[in-house]
Amino acid sequence: EPEVTQTPSHQVTQMGQEVILRCVPISNHLYFYWYRQILGQKVEFLVSFYNNEISEKSEIFDDQFSVERPDGSNFTLKIRSTKLEDSAMYFCASNYGISYEQYFGPGTRLTVT
Amino acid sequence: GENVEQHPSTLSVQEGDSAVIKCTYSDSASNYFPWYKQELGKGPQLIIDIRSNVGEKKDQRIAVTLNKTAKHFSLHITETQPEDSAVYFCAASERSQGNLIFGKGTKLSVKP
Repeated sequence: EPEVTQTPSHQVTQMGQEVILRCVPISNHLYFYWYRQILGQKVEFLVSFYNNEISEKSEIFDDQFSVERPDGSNFTLKIRSTKLEDSAMYFCASNYGISYEQYFGPGTRLTVT
Repeated sequence: GENVEQHPSTLSVQEGDSAVIKCTYSDSASNYFPWYKQELGKGPQLIIDIRSNVGEKKDQRIAVTLNKTAKHFSLHITETQPEDSAVYFCAASERSQGNLIFGKGTKLSVKP
């Protein structure tokens, strides 16, 4: 069964450093998403992406964040200058486009020290 | 914007009993309500969903009900098993491809 994959599973970085989180969505899916989950809290929407552009973003997704689909398979989230409060689990999800279901990857745990 | 409230935050049941988790939403424009199961260290897994033109949906031991008038929906798990132990999240969305707004989650523990 096709799955969303994410790398790395755990990333530790120092405050102020740039990080790139990577995702490979399900191959025939057209919509891609990033969500984050701070430890013990609810999953929060960050951004959605379709046809090589952002279709929707939340208040959390400020100028420090960017997304890209650099090739036909990868979807990345970049945080330019990490802060302590960026420490969270980041989930990538994808959607086929004509249905509602979103399928989530296993997540990347980002720890900012 | 949409707000989703979920209760209870923790739920402990004996194996074989039923479990019910309830969510309410605020935006009447929401029309899609998925439930996700999250096991420790894993991503949310879609287990069942319902759209606003349907009042109830079942899949084996799992069912979801929706009351549009009251703006609430519930997850029912019958004949619970230890492997049902996980955190369950409800969510709501206004449209296909739209972002999901999640509840805070319910930690379900099924005791053998």
